[in-house]
Amino acid sequence: DAGVIQSPRHEVTEMGQEVTLRCKPISGHNSLFWYRQTMMRGLELLIYFNNNVPIDDSGMPEDRFSAKMPNASFSTLKIQPSEPRDSAVYFCASSSSGGRVETQYFGPGTRLLVL
Amino acid sequence: GESVGLHLPTLSVQEGDNSIINCAYSNSASDYFIWYKQESGKGPQFIIDIRSNMDKRQGQRVTVLLNKTVKHLSLQIAATQPGDSAVYFCAENIAGGSNYKLTFGKGTLLTVNP
Repeated sequence: DAGVIQSPRHEVTEMGQEVTLRCKPISGHNSLFWYRQTMMRGLELLIYFNNNVPIDDSGMPEDRFSAKMPNASFSTLKIQPSEPRDSAVYFCASSSSGGRVETQYFGPGTRLLVL
Repeated sequence: GESVGLHLPTLSVQEGDNSIINCAYSNSASDYFIWYKQESGKGPQFIIDIRSNMDKRQGQRVTVLLNKTVKHLSLQIAATQPGDSAVYFCAENIAGGSNYKLTFGKGTLLTVNP
């Protein structure tokens, strides 16, 4: 079975550029999560969608970050403009059970480096 | 133990030994806990969970112990294998809060020497 698919796997960009991260959840899953992982702060929830609707975006750092889920099989996380402190690994996870924590499956992540 | 700085705590064991990884949590209202394994270049993978009405739960080669009195969680891996080398971290969910929200620890790096 294909798990959560994320692209790109690695991204290097310069400060000020727009970055778009992509996620394809597991087919049939109706909840999707974006997380950010850094050494300093660990793994943090950025935003949670249920049935394509954003339910909780309280973890989104600031207005430079935006996330969309236009349909059940695709989501994007956009950073515009990017800054060096955005460098991190960004994970997408999906769930089939209303997002309950024990049912979240993580993708392989996108490693972002902003120079 | 849990990291409070830039460097992950590390645990190095010999293949075949038992490993014990510890986690301290801070919120006494947490009632559900998960241990995750994260291999290099991959996302976190669910290993085992435990609810606060239990103090021990066993899986295949893994056991989680919960001590609510001192807010401590441990993961025991029996007969550790090279494939167990990864970062392990605990996560907690707070009772009465959102059932989708986890607070993650920063992890422990387990290295298994052949």
